[in-house]
Amino acid sequence: SAVISQKPSRDICQRGTSLTIQCQVDSQVTMMFWYRQQPGQSLTLIATANQGSEATYESGFVIDKFPISRPNLTFSTLTVSNMSPEDSSIYLCSVGQGASDTQYFGPGTRLTVL
Amino acid sequence: AQKITQTQPGMFVQEKEAVTLDCTYDTSDPSYGLFWYKQPSSGEMIFLIYQGSYDQQNATEGRYSLNFQKARKSANLVISASQLGDSAMYFCAMRRMDSSYKLIFGSGTRLLVRP
Repeated sequence: SAVISQKPSRDICQRGTSLTIQCQVDSQVTMMFWYRQQPGQSLTLIATANQGSEATYESGFVIDKFPISRPNLTFSTLTVSNMSPEDSSIYLCSVGQGASDTQYFGPGTRLTVL
Repeated sequence: AQKITQTQPGMFVQEKEAVTLDCTYDTSDPSYGLFWYKQPSSGEMIFLIYQGSYDQQNATEGRYSLNFQKARKSANLVISASQLGDSAMYFCAMRRMDSSYKLIFGSGTRLLVRP
């Protein structure tokens, strides 16, 4: 499976600021996704990052709050904008690979908003 | 709509024993995939095992096996010979085998392996 890295691994931010999370894959992948995991909760898909076009957002997530870039087939960024304490979560990127398009996850970014 | 249910918020198992983590699902799609992931306290999500809805045999990967009962819509994870390192959250997930690729996760089961 692909090796996926995320930066930063964790951060503590002030409310009202923005944070950009990077996701790097060691091979070209078509499908790349961003998930959020709020404290004590399961994972929720934020959006599918499409190369060369706008991301596809899930219900409840909007581009102004979570802008996503996908400049090529190995890299994507997720920005959490105008943060509030409710944005404190683990943010994970994943890529689909293999015959069953299994999703493999990066190590996650643990975000705390004060 | 698709839904995944994990009814066991927490489980204990003695080291070296086997444990079964329950997962039931609901979907009207004829084709779908079922996945299990492990999440240690570090937060990473580790893929364990996959079962396709048309697969005739239950999936196995080392100490992990998936007890797939299609008529009952259940996909339980069996971990044999538990180890202390198996202590983690375990998530069951499902997705359609179409272009959406969206994974829907259950609420998870926290497994604690006792020495």
